[in-house]
Amino acid sequence: AQTVTQSQPEMSVQEAETVTLSCTYDTSESDYYLFWYKQPPSRQMILVIRQEAYKQQNATENRFSVNFQKAAKSFSLKISDSQLGDAAMYFCAYMNGGSQGNLIFGKGTKLSVKP
Amino acid sequence: DTGVSQNPRHKITKRGQNVTFRCDPISEHNRLYWYRQTLGQGPEFLTYFQNEAQLEKSRLLSDRFSAERPKGSFSTLEIQRTEQGDSAMYLCASSPGPDRGYEQYFGPGTRLTVT
Repeated sequence: AQTVTQSQPEMSVQEAETVTLSCTYDTSESDYYLFWYKQPPSRQMILVIRQEAYKQQNATENRFSVNFQKAAKSFSLKISDSQLGDAAMYFCAYMNGGSQGNLIFGKGTKLSVKP
Repeated sequence: DTGVSQNPRHKITKRGQNVTFRCDPISEHNRLYWYRQTLGQGPEFLTYFQNEAQLEKSRLLSDRFSAERPKGSFSTLEIQRTEQGDSAMYLCASSPGPDRGYEQYFGPGTRLTVT
């Protein structure tokens, strides 16, 4: 069975600085997708970024980028120029390419942004 | 706003009562998912629909749980004879499938409290 591990329960960053959130996963599949979701306090889950396993190039979305290391099964999220609005729970999620598409989530990392 | 909507947002019920939640997905999305999220955890997959067909159910979905998507549009999740362990946030997500890398868009959730 596939698993997703986020080893940092909490992280803190100074406004305008850069922070990296870690995620590792375990799978024997070769075709899969990885996602980072953001869940602000009492607000709904928002998709931050997506990475297809078959793509070697790391995905980027504005201030958000990933470091996808397929051999190491690592998928970290880098947030540049951190803003107060980035404070949230961040969840890493895995999905089998050949499955119906259910996501397997990690336990999350709570990110605080200090002004 | 054409995002995923869920109703009610909060539900308090007594143990043993039945409850029903509704999810309205993004209109052009043919895939719909239900997840359950307890405090301090990532969401856990419950069930998945493609159009009106329920194609996958998690082992978490006991016999007391039933989900429907009668016309391939909105979906309902019913819990019969609720137990205190059912207290959680119930999340609905919809997806266009492979067209956008299987991205899932979440609703705000229904928070269930069983007393």
